[in-house]
Amino acid sequence: EVQLVESGGGLVQPGGSLRLSCAASGFTFRIYSMSWVRQAPGKGLEWVSAVSDSGGRMWYADSVKGRFTVSRDNPKNTLYLQMNSLRAEDTAVYYCVKEVDHNGLFDYWGQGTLVTVSS
Amino acid sequence: EVVLTQSPGTLSLSPGEGPTLSCRASQSVSSSKLAWYQQKPGQAPRLLIYGASRRATGIPDRFSGSGSGTDFTLTISRLEPEDFAVYYCQQYGNSPLTFGQGTKLEIK
Repeated sequence: EVQLVESGGGLVQPGGSLRLSCAASGFTFRIYSMSWVRQAPGKGLEWVSAVSDSGGRMWYADSVKGRFTVSRDNPKNTLYLQMNSLRAEDTAVYYCVKEVDHNGLFDYWGQGTLVTVSS
Repeated sequence: EVVLTQSPGTLSLSPGEGPTLSCRASQSVSSSKLAWYQQKPGQAPRLLIYGASRRATGIPDRFSGSGSGTDFTLTISRLEPEDFAVYYCQQYGNSPLTFGQGTKLEIK
């Protein structure tokens, strides 16, 4: 059974940093691209970032480019999102998402971790 | 960026009815790479339809998708109580990946 378990969310002040982790199991992690998708309270879904299977290529939404860094540790089956210079508008539930075939189609989602940016 | 506009925003229906949800793209979606997700309160989204018309594994056949180019629809043939949720379309043919703003199906 595929499982994606996010952790690392919490309350942080504007300008602060946070690192999210996603522990993956139930599939061969190292051969799939992975993404982060967020959802602000009461709002819709926004794709944030993606990383290739090897970790060698990364992609970012314009809204987070230069502030967020996605990475992965394939031997540990773990995906990361380092978030710096956080803003109030980054407040959201962050979902770790498995891609079907390196194409941006998402077949499995974690339960999400809430990040709140507030003073 | 491909902007996806979903309509209506909210649909109030009764079990047994058969809604059609719309998703319109600001430009042609490459290779019909359009997906639909269902999200229930407090849960993560679930993939329903991909490639505009292909049902994901385990999705009941009362869900069907159609369309191409810039106009796509999700049809539910007969609403079951568990179908009341928010539905999002997503395009994965162009970068960046984008989602529609969602259509909420609520019980009338």
